[in-house]
Amino acid sequence: AQTVTQSQPEMSVQEAETVTLSCTYDTSESDYYLFWYKQPPSRQMILVIRQEAYKQQNATENRFSVNFQKAAKSFSLKISDSQLGDAAMYFCAYRSYTGANSKLTFGKGITLSVRP
Amino acid sequence: GAGVSQSPSNKVTEKGKDVELRCDPISGHTALYWYRQSLGQGLEFLIYFQGNSAPDKSGLPSDRFSAERTGGSVSTLTIQRTQQEDSAVYLCASNLVPGVEYNEQFFGPGTRLTVL
Repeated sequence: AQTVTQSQPEMSVQEAETVTLSCTYDTSESDYYLFWYKQPPSRQMILVIRQEAYKQQNATENRFSVNFQKAAKSFSLKISDSQLGDAAMYFCAYRSYTGANSKLTFGKGITLSVRP
Repeated sequence: GAGVSQSPSNKVTEKGKDVELRCDPISGHTALYWYRQSLGQGLEFLIYFQGNSAPDKSGLPSDRFSAERTGGSVSTLTIQRTQQEDSAVYLCASNLVPGVEYNEQFFGPGTRLTVL
Protein backbone atom coordinates (compact mmCIF):
# COMPACT_ATOMS: atom_id res chain seq x y z
CA ALA A 1 0.00 0.00 0.00
CA GLN A 2 1.11 3.52 -0.66
CA THR A 3 1.55 6.12 2.04
CA VAL A 4 1.96 9.87 1.88
CA THR A 5 3.55 11.84 4.70
CA GLN A 6 3.38 15.56 5.34
CA SER A 7 5.28 16.14 8.54
CA GLN A 8 4.75 19.90 8.90
CA PRO A 9 1.24 20.66 10.19
CA GLU A 10 1.56 24.42 9.77
CA MET A 11 3.70 26.96 7.96
CA SER A 12 3.67 30.70 7.61
CA VAL A 13 5.10 32.96 4.92
CA GLN A 14 5.36 36.68 4.38
CA GLU A 15 3.45 38.03 1.42
CA ALA A 16 5.63 38.14 -1.73
CA GLU A 17 8.12 35.68 -0.24
CA THR A 18 8.73 32.07 -1.24
CA VAL A 19 7.70 29.02 0.76
CA THR A 20 8.33 25.31 0.30
CA LEU A 21 5.94 22.63 1.51
CA SER A 22 7.38 19.15 2.02
CA CYS A 23 5.96 15.75 1.18
CA THR A 24 7.38 12.24 1.15
CA TYR A 25 5.73 9.08 -0.01
CA ASP A 26 6.28 5.38 -0.07
CA THR A 27 5.43 3.03 -2.91
CA SER A 28 6.71 -0.05 -4.67
CA GLU A 29 5.30 1.08 -7.99
CA SER A 30 7.49 2.62 -10.66
CA ASP A 31 4.82 4.61 -12.46
CA TYR A 32 2.43 6.92 -10.65
CA TYR A 33 1.15 10.47 -10.35
CA LEU A 34 1.76 12.93 -7.58
CA PHE A 35 -0.43 15.94 -6.88
CA TRP A 36 -0.71 18.99 -4.73
CA TYR A 37 -4.22 20.09 -3.87
CA LYS A 38 -5.32 23.33 -2.24
CA GLN A 39 -8.32 23.43 0.10
CA PRO A 40 -9.48 26.94 1.10
CA PRO A 41 -12.04 27.47 3.88
CA SER A 42 -14.80 26.85 1.33
CA ARG A 43 -13.70 23.15 1.44
CA GLN A 44 -13.47 23.01 -2.36
CA MET A 45 -10.44 20.93 -3.33
CA ILE A 46 -8.49 22.60 -6.11
CA LEU A 47 -5.78 20.86 -8.10
CA VAL A 48 -2.63 22.98 -7.95
CA ILE A 49 -0.13 20.87 -9.84
CA ARG A 50 0.57 17.31 -10.89
CA GLN A 51 3.71 15.34 -11.69
CA GLU A 52 4.03 12.13 -13.66
CA ALA A 53 6.69 9.91 -12.13
CA TYR A 54 8.14 8.96 -15.51
CA LYS A 55 8.91 12.59 -16.30
CA GLN A 56 12.25 13.83 -15.09
CA GLN A 57 11.35 17.47 -15.58
CA ASN A 58 9.75 19.14 -12.58
CA ALA A 59 6.23 20.44 -13.18
CA THR A 60 5.57 24.17 -13.09
CA GLU A 61 2.31 26.12 -13.05
CA ASN A 62 2.83 29.86 -12.87
CA ARG A 63 3.99 30.64 -9.31
CA PHE A 64 3.85 26.97 -8.29
CA SER A 65 6.61 24.49 -8.96
CA VAL A 66 7.65 21.13 -7.58
CA ASN A 67 10.91 19.48 -6.68
CA PHE A 68 10.39 15.83 -7.51
CA GLN A 69 13.10 13.47 -6.29
CA LYS A 70 12.02 9.99 -7.34
CA ALA A 71 14.84 8.07 -5.72
CA ALA A 72 14.30 9.86 -2.43
CA LYS A 73 10.50 9.64 -2.81
CA SER A 74 10.21 13.31 -2.10
CA PHE A 75 7.78 15.77 -3.68
CA SER A 76 7.89 19.34 -2.41
CA LEU A 77 5.85 22.32 -3.55
CA LYS A 78 7.39 25.76 -3.92
CA ILE A 79 5.14 28.78 -3.96
CA SER A 80 6.84 31.92 -5.23
CA ASP A 81 5.66 35.49 -4.68
CA SER A 82 3.16 34.31 -2.07
CA GLN A 83 -0.21 36.03 -2.12
CA LEU A 84 -2.88 36.38 0.55
CA GLY A 85 -5.12 34.11 -1.53
CA ASP A 86 -2.61 31.30 -1.18
CA ALA A 87 -3.61 30.85 2.46
CA ALA A 88 -5.26 27.43 2.69
CA MET A 89 -4.65 23.78 3.53
CA TYR A 90 -2.41 22.01 1.06
CA PHE A 91 -2.53 18.27 0.52
CA CYS A 92 -0.01 16.07 -1.20
CA ALA A 93 -1.57 13.07 -2.95
CA TYR A 94 -0.55 9.92 -4.80
CA ARG A 95 -2.30 7.98 -7.54
CA SER A 96 -1.31 4.80 -9.27
CA TYR A 97 -0.58 5.20 -12.96
CA THR A 98 -2.45 2.22 -14.23
CA GLY A 99 -5.70 0.54 -13.41
CA ALA A 100 -9.25 1.73 -13.56
CA ASN A 101 -9.37 2.74 -9.92
CA SER A 102 -7.99 6.25 -9.75
CA LYS A 103 -8.39 6.68 -6.01
CA LEU A 104 -6.09 9.18 -4.38
CA THR A 105 -3.99 8.62 -1.28
CA PHE A 106 -3.55 11.83 0.67
CA GLY A 107 -1.20 13.14 3.30
CA LYS A 108 -2.59 14.83 6.39
CA GLY A 109 -2.17 18.27 4.93
CA ILE A 110 -0.43 21.46 5.93
CA THR A 111 -2.04 24.74 6.88
CA LEU A 112 -0.35 27.66 5.15
CA SER A 113 -0.88 31.16 6.44
CA VAL A 114 0.28 34.27 4.58
CA ARG A 115 1.25 37.35 6.57
CA PRO A 116 0.49 40.72 4.95
CA GLY B 1 -24.27 20.72 -13.89
CA ALA B 2 -21.04 22.63 -14.03
CA GLY B 3 -19.37 20.73 -11.22
CA VAL B 4 -19.78 18.04 -8.60
CA SER B 5 -22.52 18.93 -6.16
CA GLN B 6 -23.21 17.52 -2.72
CA SER B 7 -26.11 17.84 -0.34
CA PRO B 8 -26.68 18.77 2.33
CA SER B 9 -23.84 21.19 2.87
CA ASN B 10 -24.03 20.66 6.60
CA LYS B 11 -25.77 18.01 8.64
CA VAL B 12 -26.17 17.85 12.39
CA THR B 13 -27.57 14.65 13.81
CA GLU B 14 -27.91 12.86 17.09
CA LYS B 15 -25.90 9.81 17.99
CA GLY B 16 -27.67 6.67 16.85
CA LYS B 17 -29.57 8.26 13.97
CA ASP B 18 -29.12 7.30 10.32
CA VAL B 19 -27.96 9.87 7.77
CA GLU B 20 -27.83 9.99 3.98
CA LEU B 21 -25.36 12.10 2.05
CA ARG B 22 -25.86 12.77 -1.63
CA CYS B 23 -23.42 13.33 -4.48
CA ASP B 24 -24.22 14.48 -8.01
CA PRO B 25 -21.15 13.95 -10.20
CA ILE B 26 -20.33 15.85 -13.36
CA SER B 27 -22.56 14.63 -16.17
CA GLY B 28 -20.92 11.81 -18.09
CA HIS B 29 -18.34 10.98 -15.44
CA THR B 30 -18.34 7.23 -15.00
CA ALA B 31 -16.06 7.04 -11.97
CA LEU B 32 -17.13 8.33 -8.57
CA TYR B 33 -15.26 8.37 -5.25
CA TRP B 34 -16.17 9.10 -1.64
CA TYR B 35 -13.55 10.38 0.78
CA ARG B 36 -13.72 11.31 4.46
CA GLN B 37 -11.80 14.19 6.01
CA SER B 38 -11.65 14.00 9.79
CA LEU B 39 -10.22 16.77 11.95
CA GLY B 40 -6.45 16.63 11.84
CA GLN B 41 -6.45 13.87 9.26
CA GLY B 42 -6.00 13.89 5.56
CA LEU B 43 -8.63 12.65 3.19
CA GLU B 44 -9.30 8.94 3.54
CA PHE B 45 -10.67 6.96 0.63
CA LEU B 46 -13.97 5.25 1.35
CA ILE B 47 -15.37 3.73 -1.84
CA TYR B 48 -15.01 3.80 -5.62
CA PHE B 49 -17.78 3.38 -8.16
CA GLN B 50 -17.41 2.53 -11.81
CA GLY B 51 -20.87 3.04 -13.24
CA ASN B 52 -23.26 1.53 -10.70
CA SER B 53 -20.77 -1.06 -9.45
CA ALA B 54 -18.41 -0.60 -6.52
CA PRO B 55 -15.28 -2.64 -7.23
CA ASP B 56 -13.42 -1.09 -4.33
CA LYS B 57 -15.12 -0.69 -0.95
CA SER B 58 -11.93 -1.18 1.00
CA GLY B 59 -12.08 2.18 2.76
CA LEU B 60 -15.49 1.83 4.38
CA PRO B 61 -14.69 1.86 8.12
CA SER B 62 -17.48 -0.40 9.31
CA ASP B 63 -20.64 -2.16 8.22
CA ARG B 64 -22.59 0.90 9.38
CA PHE B 65 -21.37 2.59 6.20
CA SER B 66 -22.86 1.77 2.82
CA ALA B 67 -23.17 3.50 -0.52
CA GLU B 68 -25.01 3.05 -3.74
CA ARG B 69 -25.08 4.65 -7.13
CA THR B 70 -28.01 4.61 -9.50
CA GLY B 71 -28.26 5.31 -13.21
CA GLY B 72 -24.51 5.74 -13.35
CA SER B 73 -25.02 9.16 -11.83
CA VAL B 74 -26.19 10.12 -8.34
CA SER B 75 -24.60 8.39 -5.36
CA THR B 76 -25.80 8.17 -1.78
CA LEU B 77 -23.57 7.43 1.21
CA THR B 78 -25.55 6.11 4.16
CA ILE B 79 -24.29 5.96 7.72
CA GLN B 80 -26.43 3.94 10.10
CA ARG B 81 -26.49 4.38 13.86
CA THR B 82 -24.13 7.34 13.70
CA GLN B 83 -21.37 7.69 16.27
CA GLN B 84 -19.47 10.78 17.34
CA GLU B 85 -16.35 9.53 15.57
CA ASP B 86 -18.29 9.72 12.29
CA SER B 87 -18.15 13.52 12.53
CA ALA B 88 -16.15 14.66 9.52
CA VAL B 89 -16.37 16.28 6.12
CA TYR B 90 -17.44 13.80 3.46
CA LEU B 91 -16.15 14.65 0.01
CA CYS B 92 -17.24 13.22 -3.30
CA ALA B 93 -15.21 13.29 -6.50
CA SER B 94 -15.69 12.12 -10.07
CA ASN B 95 -13.63 11.68 -13.20
CA LEU B 96 -14.43 10.98 -16.80
CA VAL B 97 -12.94 7.66 -17.81
CA PRO B 98 -10.88 5.67 -15.37
CA GLY B 99 -7.79 3.94 -16.64
CA VAL B 100 -7.16 6.50 -19.35
CA GLU B 101 -3.69 7.95 -19.10
CA TYR B 102 -4.73 10.94 -17.12
CA ASN B 103 -7.96 12.65 -16.32
CA GLU B 104 -8.52 14.98 -13.45
CA GLN B 105 -10.61 14.04 -10.45
CA PHE B 106 -13.07 16.85 -9.66
CA PHE B 107 -14.25 17.33 -6.10
CA GLY B 108 -17.52 18.53 -4.66
CA PRO B 109 -17.71 21.03 -1.78
CA GLY B 110 -18.35 18.28 0.75
CA THR B 111 -20.90 17.66 3.47
CA ARG B 112 -19.88 18.51 7.01
CA LEU B 113 -21.44 15.93 9.33
CA THR B 114 -21.64 16.63 13.04
CA VAL B 115 -22.84 13.89 15.36
CA LEU B 116 -23.89 15.15 18.78
